[in-house]
Amino acid sequence: AQSVTQLDSHVSVSEGTPVLLRCNYSSSYSPSLFWYVQHPNKGLQLLLKYTSAATLVKGINGFEAEFKKSETSFHLTKPSAHMSDAAEYFCVVSDISNAGNMLTFGGGTRLMVKP
Amino acid sequence: KAGVTQTPRYLIKTRGQQVTLSCSPISGHRSVSWYQQTPGQGLQFLFEYFSETQRNKGNFPGRFSGRQFSNSRSEMNVSTLELGDSALYLCASSLEFSDEKLFFGSGTQLSVL
Repeated sequence: AQSVTQLDSHVSVSEGTPVLLRCNYSSSYSPSLFWYVQHPNKGLQLLLKYTSAATLVKGINGFEAEFKKSETSFHLTKPSAHMSDAAEYFCVVSDISNAGNMLTFGGGTRLMVKP
Repeated sequence: KAGVTQTPRYLIKTRGQQVTLSCSPISGHRSVSWYQQTPGQGLQFLFEYFSETQRNKGNFPGRFSGRQFSNSRSEMNVSTLELGDSALYLCASSLEFSDEKLFFGSGTQLSVL
């Protein structure tokens, strides 16, 4: 069985300061890991994806995430927050033992960006 | 290229009724997945269709069903609606089965009164 825990339900930062959204996962196999973002009244958009090619994954809009197997973590970071980054972020795991797109989502982290 | 289109955008139903939601994937995408999003349970996988066949199913009761047509469009149906079925239902498409790059629609917000 696989699971994802997002350690913070809400994160508040000031514009221009770094962003850190924390995620821990549990999986019986080598997982594929993702971060998705959901803006209000919008669908989910893929930010980045880890599939074992490199531990540091660069995504869209300046976001990146580092896979740390020893810590079973996949934290999302951005050096400088922008007002448009305010949204809900989901850490997601896809277990390769399950063929198809049966993704397991974390509970989400709502990012607030103060001017 | 148009994105994933879900209709209707909003629905209001009463307990005991049934509802059908529609999803048109991105042109050329052959796999369609459905997810339920609620404040309490978060995002949960419902089912996935590829080549008109259900390939995976989440842990939901039999009242939740779906199908996929030959043009890859998909519908999901919920019968005998319960208050707890109130949720945002999201559809996602991908090029192929097991293609992990999913593109999501904006969802259908279902309210059950």
